[in-house]
Amino acid sequence: GAVVSQHPSWVICKSGTSVKIECRSLDFQATTMFWYRQFPKQSLMLMATSNEGSKATYEQGVEKDKFLINHASLTLSTLTVTSAHPEDSSFYICSATWGGLAGGNEQFFGPGTRLTVL
Amino acid sequence: AQRVTQPEKLLSVFKGAPVELKCNYSYSGSPELFWYVQYSRQRLQLLLRHISRESIKGFTADLNKGETSFHLKKPFAQEEDSAMYYCAPLQVSQKLVFGQGTRLTINP
Repeated sequence: GAVVSQHPSWVICKSGTSVKIECRSLDFQATTMFWYRQFPKQSLMLMATSNEGSKATYEQGVEKDKFLINHASLTLSTLTVTSAHPEDSSFYICSATWGGLAGGNEQFFGPGTRLTVL
Repeated sequence: AQRVTQPEKLLSVFKGAPVELKCNYSYSGSPELFWYVQYSRQRLQLLLRHISRESIKGFTADLNKGETSFHLKKPFAQEEDSAMYYCAPLQVSQKLVFGQGTRLTINP
């Protein structure tokens, strides 16, 4: 159980276009989803925390107008990279949790999405 | 701000040898700590959490509040243990703070 999927698994786009990445919890309702970014050979960097039905909370240094996050349901969060540029090329990973002590505070991770901006 | 340090980016040991992956954290209060693992071509997954005080795949990790450490140990390494390991304290806000990770390679 506790499977998280991401779509697409990889995407190539032209500079200036927008790209949407979906994160779904397949067999549980996720009260909170997290979006991370991972550069090659580096650790995960948290970008934002997304709670269903409310605005996402962005980490310091992450542009909220650049990385739009929507968490419209308990099983789906989307990350839209607007006006993408080559420096946005990265591996984007989402995680989901049903949260709190009941969920053991465990985050379940998606497989990641490789974004390449030409 | 809460910080976590994994001093070794790379660690290589022979099969059957003991393994210790180091993790030090800075946090005031009672932290909840996790070890996550990423095997080749697989997603990140939870290995163990300190509150469970359990052994998973032969790995254990003890929280040492005096030394602010949460080192991951296994007495006899196996080839399938080769992976990327991340130590991650949980912030009050339910956010995980990932260390830079240690790539463990088990040599046959």
